[in-house]
Amino acid sequence: EPEVTQTPSHQVTQMGQEVILRCVPISNHLYFYWYRQILGQKVEFLVSFYNNEISEKSEIFDDQFSVERPDGSNFTLKIRSTKLEDSAMYFCASRIRDPRGPQHFGDGTRLSIL
Amino acid sequence: GENVEQHPSTLSVQEGDSAVIKCTYSDSASNYFPWYKQELGKRPQLIIDIRSNVGEKKDQRIAVTLNKTAKHFSLHITETQPEDSAVYFCAASPRSGGYNKLIFGAGTRLAVHP
Repeated sequence: EPEVTQTPSHQVTQMGQEVILRCVPISNHLYFYWYRQILGQKVEFLVSFYNNEISEKSEIFDDQFSVERPDGSNFTLKIRSTKLEDSAMYFCASRIRDPRGPQHFGDGTRLSIL
Repeated sequence: GENVEQHPSTLSVQEGDSAVIKCTYSDSASNYFPWYKQELGKRPQLIIDIRSNVGEKKDQRIAVTLNKTAKHFSLHITETQPEDSAVYFCAASPRSGGYNKLIFGAGTRLAVHP
């Protein structure tokens, strides 16, 4: 069964540094997402992406965050100047065209800001 | 804003018993309601979902019911097994942004004791 893949599995970064999290969505999926989960808390929506542009973003997704689909397969989340509170598990997800279709999640990247 | 409330936060049952987790959502126009199971350190995995035009859906030991009038949906697990132990998240897809994101509940930690 096809899966969403994410790299790296764990990223440790100094506060203030830039970090890029990478995702390869399922190949025939058209909608792409980033969510985050702070340890022990619920999954929170960050941003959705369709047709090479952001379709919606949450309040969490401020100017420090950006997303990109640089080629036909990768989908990246960049945090320009990381803060301690950015420490979390970041999940990429993708789905097919149907808005009532399931979102499939990757294994996540654990981001630790020191 | 959109919100999903989930109860209980923890649930402890004996093997073979049933477990019920309940969620309410705020946006009456929400049209899709998935349930995810998350084991420690792993990705959320979709276990069952229901669309707004359906009142009930069943898949082996798992069932979901939806009451649109009350804005309420529930997960039912029968004949629980120790491997059902995990955190379960409900989610809803609200109309804002074109039904293009999931709003998650806070999660229920289910423990099934042999």
